[in-house]
Amino acid sequence: AQKITQTQPGMFVQEKEAVTLDCTYDTSDPSYGLFWYKQPSSGEMIFLIYQGSYDQQNATEGRYSLNFQKARKSANLVISASQLGDSAMYFCAMRAPEYGNKLVFGAGTILRVKS
Amino acid sequence: GAVVSQHPSRVICKSGTSVKIECRSLDFQATTMFWYRQFPKQSLMLMATSNEGSKATYEQGVEKDKFLINHASLTLSTLTVTSAHPEDSSFYICSARAGNYEQYFGPGTRLTVT
Repeated sequence: AQKITQTQPGMFVQEKEAVTLDCTYDTSDPSYGLFWYKQPSSGEMIFLIYQGSYDQQNATEGRYSLNFQKARKSANLVISASQLGDSAMYFCAMRAPEYGNKLVFGAGTILRVKS
Repeated sequence: GAVVSQHPSRVICKSGTSVKIECRSLDFQATTMFWYRQFPKQSLMLMATSNEGSKATYEQGVEKDKFLINHASLTLSTLTVTSAHPEDSSFYICSARAGNYEQYFGPGTRLTVT
């Protein structure tokens, strides 16, 4: 099975609307971490949000929230009130002992915000 | 947050030459550094993991003699692409981690081999 799956190669969202980027993961470890990164055209990887497998509440950071559904092994990123500057590639990643505690990345989703 | 720098940000070299990319953790000591390669519109692929003072661990399919990694200090790791060819043209990103905590990424180096 794919370790991290992002099924949406590209997404469009209207400015000021909310958008959900999907991510599912696969690990048998009970302790793991899930990350979302934003990569604009400049190439830098910008850390957005982190969710630990034992965290009881969904992580939130400003306009970013993580919809963590442990039983479904999904960790979708929700961006509220989209801005033009949100246009970028978004990567979901996981770190788990099963994978040597190294970050494993999904294929990414390109998000385009329309004005 | 912690800062990781990479130098150079862009480099063009001729086929057959070698090029060195530096990765520095500016305000923390990185016990582990990672090197990734990224092709356009694709995901990051881990090339190797290096711990300070020890040999790098390369991922399957990555030629260790072609991609030389040195992690000589807790703040500096270098990636040398030896005898570069056009197919080595890519975006190379380093990342640094202190202990088992958060991983910080450098801004990347775009390598073009002509």
